[in-house]
Amino acid sequence: DTGVSQDPRHKITKRGQNVTFRCDPISEHNRLYWYRQTLGQGPEFLTYFQNEAQLEKSRLLSDRFSAERPKGSFSTLEIQRTEQGDSAMYLCASSLGVSFNTEAFFGQGTRLTVV
Amino acid sequence: DAKTTQPPSMDCAEGRAANLPCNHSTISGNEYVYWYRQIHSQGPQYIIHGLKNNETNEMASLIITEDRKSSTLILPHATLRDTAVYYCIVRPRPQGGSEKLVFGKGTKLTVNP
Repeated sequence: DTGVSQDPRHKITKRGQNVTFRCDPISEHNRLYWYRQTLGQGPEFLTYFQNEAQLEKSRLLSDRFSAERPKGSFSTLEIQRTEQGDSAMYLCASSLGVSFNTEAFFGQGTRLTVV
Repeated sequence: DAKTTQPPSMDCAEGRAANLPCNHSTISGNEYVYWYRQIHSQGPQYIIHGLKNNETNEMASLIITEDRKSSTLILPHATLRDTAVYYCIVRPRPQGGSEKLVFGKGTKLTVNP
């Protein structure tokens, strides 16, 4: 499968613990996005990378959230001191940004449950 | 914030055309209309996009009104596998930005046998 891959698919953690998710974009896609989706809502933008540079962060991305894309390939999203409100689906997407209007391909997401 | 308005839900009979409306009355000249869909427990999937001309691909057709204030996504022969949430998104041409997608709540389309 050469699509966007996310790991793990599901994560249950206790409140206060740290969690880290991984996203492997489609090979050679230079743009990578993280979104969060809660039940009944559309995905909400969190952050964007072009190659290894994090170029945009949403106000939703509090200080407890950090994302990296160290070599411009895979990316990680870490949540520190998780709270119950962090329970959501975390989606990663990638696109090949050689021109405007390139479509974004989404992974299947990581579902986080904070208990 | 989403700049589109969609009905929360619609039903369609299998084999019939599904016509999903979207209002984007504040769209500006450099903004495109995109459609994505999300099948339960999966990530969103790109369907089609357009600026002002009607567009068609293997999945769907996009009809944009002449004033560009609304559009309709047409699935010509809906199948049970088309049951999903459909998102209409207005996406600006970026000025060095991220080209991020801003999702609303979408339309839950249920295709019935």
